[in-house]
Parts: sequence; C-alpha cells; structure tokens
Amino acid sequence: GDSVTQMEGPVTLSEEAFLTINCTYTATGYPSLFWYVQYPGEGLQLLLKATKADDKGSNKGFEATYRKETTSFHLEKGSVQVSDSAVYFCALSSYNQGGKLIFGQGTELSVKP
Amino acid sequence: ETGVTQSPTHLIKTRGQQVTLRCSSQSGHNTVSWYQQALGQGPQFIFQYYREEENGRGNFPPRFSGLQFPNYSSELNVNALELDDSALYLCASSSWGASGELFFGEGSRLTVL
Repeated sequence: GDSVTQMEGPVTLSEEAFLTINCTYTATGYPSLFWYVQYPGEGLQLLLKATKADDKGSNKGFEATYRKETTSFHLEKGSVQVSDSAVYFCALSSYNQGGKLIFGQGTELSVKP
Repeated sequence: ETGVTQSPTHLIKTRGQQVTLRCSSQSGHNTVSWYQQALGQGPQFIFQYYREEENGRGNFPPRFSGLQFPNYSSELNVNALELDDSALYLCASSSWGASGELFFGEGSRLTVL
C-alpha cells in the first residue's frame, strides 16, 4: 500500500542554519504531496503542498519539490529561526482515496539561538 | 472564522469502557476526518464523513464508529477500550474534494488504564 518515510529526528540546528528534512513516498498513481507542521501545543497545520510532478510548494520560507523520478518531497529552508521549532510531517493523498492522508512518522526540529 | 474545536481535551478511561469524542468543524466545511496519533508517530486515518455518511475507512476495527450531524459536527465513538487505544485523536475538517488540505483541531488526548 501507499506509504511515506521521513528522516528520523530529532534534528537540532542553530539559528540561521540550512534545513533539509528528507521525505520519500511509495504510491500507485499520482498522489498529491504535503508538509504539515505541528507547533508545541497547537494542532497540525498545512505548511505547503504540491499536486503534480516538478511542482514546487512554498510557504514561510520553506520549499519542497515533487520529484517523481526519485519519489521524494524533501523540505528545505535556507535560514531557520527559533520559531520554526516544531514537528514536521510529510504526507500524501491519493486521487482515489478521497480525503485520506497518509503521514510519515514526523521529524522533530529544534532550533537553538 | 471559527476553527476546528474538539472536546474533551483530555480524558482517562479504563479497559472495556466506551468513549465519545466530539468535533465541531470549521465554518464552511462539510467533510470531517478522524485520525489517531500514537506518541511519537504520525497520524493514522480512521475514517471520513461526508453528508452524514462514512466515506472511506482506515485499518481500524468496527468498535471505532462515528457520526456526522446536519451541522457537519462529528463524533468518534470507541467501544470496548483497549490499552493500545491510548493516543491523541485528531479531527480535521475540509471541503469535499479539497484533496488533502485539512484543518485540524488540537486533539483529544485519551489515556486507557
């Protein structure tokens, strides 16, 4: 079945460092891909999405490109801030699965001043 | 615009008991999904409701059931609780066909003793 695999955390970075969180997926057909973020004490929020190959999703300085050839959707940010500390989840949605999202296990990011 | 609200935020039950969790969807949304998030894991899809009917179900036994009401709010019921049911239960609302763009509540933390 469809699945999502993320790099394990926790990831600890200094402020202004470059961030990459790896995400690969297995799916039949052409899924839509998402990054969700869970800040401490808050609900999951959609960070960005991409719906077809080579699309780039971006928001709040974060970017991810839908790579069909490598089945990947890595999250990147050029300069992280303390406020980016959160748990990040990669997810996919298949066309024939309605609103069902399949999530990775999450990657905790801690940014130190 | 009112976001997704869930109640209760925390509860403790014992094995064999039954629990009902409630969710009010975001204004304008007609679809509700429920997810189970075990500690340190990504959310797992339980089921989705649209037009008061179940529309898609994950790998959960029949003792997990739900309802959606005419105002689009929803309930998740779990019978014969087991220790492994201890988790954060997340409700998410969306517009039908929104393809993975979900708006999550902060969740109900269930502990089964």
